[in-house]
Amino acid sequence: DAGVTQSPTHLIKTRGQHVTLRCSPISGHKSVSWYQQVLGQGPQFIFQYYEKEERGRGNFPDRFSARQFPNYSSELNVNALLLGDSALYLCASSLETGFYEQYFGPGTRLTVT
Amino acid sequence: GEDVEQSLFLSVREGDSSVINCTYTDSSSTYLYWYKQEPGAGLQLLTYIFSNMDMKQDQRLTVLLNKKDKHLSLRIADTQTGDSAIYFCAEILGGYNKLIFGAGTRLAVHP
Repeated sequence: DAGVTQSPTHLIKTRGQHVTLRCSPISGHKSVSWYQQVLGQGPQFIFQYYEKEERGRGNFPDRFSARQFPNYSSELNVNALLLGDSALYLCASSLETGFYEQYFGPGTRLTVT
Repeated sequence: GEDVEQSLFLSVREGDSSVINCTYTDSSSTYLYWYKQEPGAGLQLLTYIFSNMDMKQDQRLTVLLNKKDKHLSLRIADTQTGDSAIYFCAEILGGYNKLIFGAGTRLAVHP
């Protein structure tokens, strides 16, 4: 079975632009979480979605939004990009919310210039 | 507050054992995790331990949990060059799957 997939792999954007990142969870997994990993740091929790509903949100500004689709895939949107948004964005899937094994995708490397 | 702490760097000789340490803050954390990240890659789930256990062994990996001191460790036996990576300790918070990660320990294995 395929693991968690994310697209695109790399992305370069300019300050003020908007970006959409995509994630497909492991088949059968219904929960998707998004994390931001700035270089040299551990991942920081952004959102969790389960059954198309937001179940948790980290300490990120409203410029960050996400959604989950009926097939359980998910998009992370970031508006008005800042240089500080440059990071590796990781998606994790788990069977359900409250199910404690989370599997991460390879990430999308976003560079904001 | 939410804060997981790890030492930043560990260097070991190939064939020796590696011990990576972590302290966490939330005594209500139900599960504690170890993830591995190789350069340019995502996170690989290595192992996890339920909070009512004090030890878990999985092949070359041994996890020790001291709940009283909120201390977690990962021992890698017979460390190989392929074990060179960054190792993250994480705790889970809340009723959903919010993982709180440490800054990671870079493990360097030398001949």
